[in-house]
Amino acid sequence: RKEVEQDPGPFNVPEGATVAFNCTYSNSASQSFFWYRQDCRKEPKLLMSVYSSGNEDGRFTAQLNRASQYISLLIRDSKLSDSATYLCVVNKDAGNMLTFGGGTRLMVKP
Amino acid sequence: GAGVSQSPSNKVTEKGKDVELRCDPISGHTALYWYRQSLGQGLEFLIYFQGNSAPDKSGLPSDRFSAERTGGSVSTLTIQRTQQEDSAVYLCASSLVSGGTDTQYFGPGTRLTVL
Repeated sequence: RKEVEQDPGPFNVPEGATVAFNCTYSNSASQSFFWYRQDCRKEPKLLMSVYSSGNEDGRFTAQLNRASQYISLLIRDSKLSDSATYLCVVNKDAGNMLTFGGGTRLMVKP
Repeated sequence: GAGVSQSPSNKVTEKGKDVELRCDPISGHTALYWYRQSLGQGLEFLIYFQGNSAPDKSGLPSDRFSAERTGGSVSTLTIQRTQQEDSAVYLCASSLVSGGTDTQYFGPGTRLTVL
């Protein structure tokens, strides 16, 4: 079993739609959680950290369920520019080593 | 300010040759990481440097891979006797300090193709 698992997609949605991605992680001792965004042939960039209480940044909402070991990302009012691969990322120890999921590809269509 | 830079951006080599990939982290960042990403795959951790501590090499796939970081700044990833399965994008990242929530900033990567 992979340490961080994501549905690879692609998720094809129309502009304005709401879309949600889930991610599961296997290590119950994991400490920190993130969503990164990666555009085609570009490097990953931090989208947002995920906090236990859930957090929101504009149209993006991230939630963490430690009991079930899953993380979610909700995108409201999708824009064409949201088309990218979304990487679920888990830090499993104090060494700041990140474990990346395989990514979920989102394509927002006009 | 300047971000993480990597060179070369693209490298094509023949099977069996050695290659060196360079990473220049953000100034002042003490932690440096190497990852690789094969086509359509997620990122695979390779090695991690933190200050003057011994590097964490737990992700290196074989003894053909090595890395060093000189003066706590620039890092070089060396792949000896390259194989076709080494073809991937090699990404370097740096962070200000080591810690569970510290943001890692990635360079643009080096795309390695082994013929």
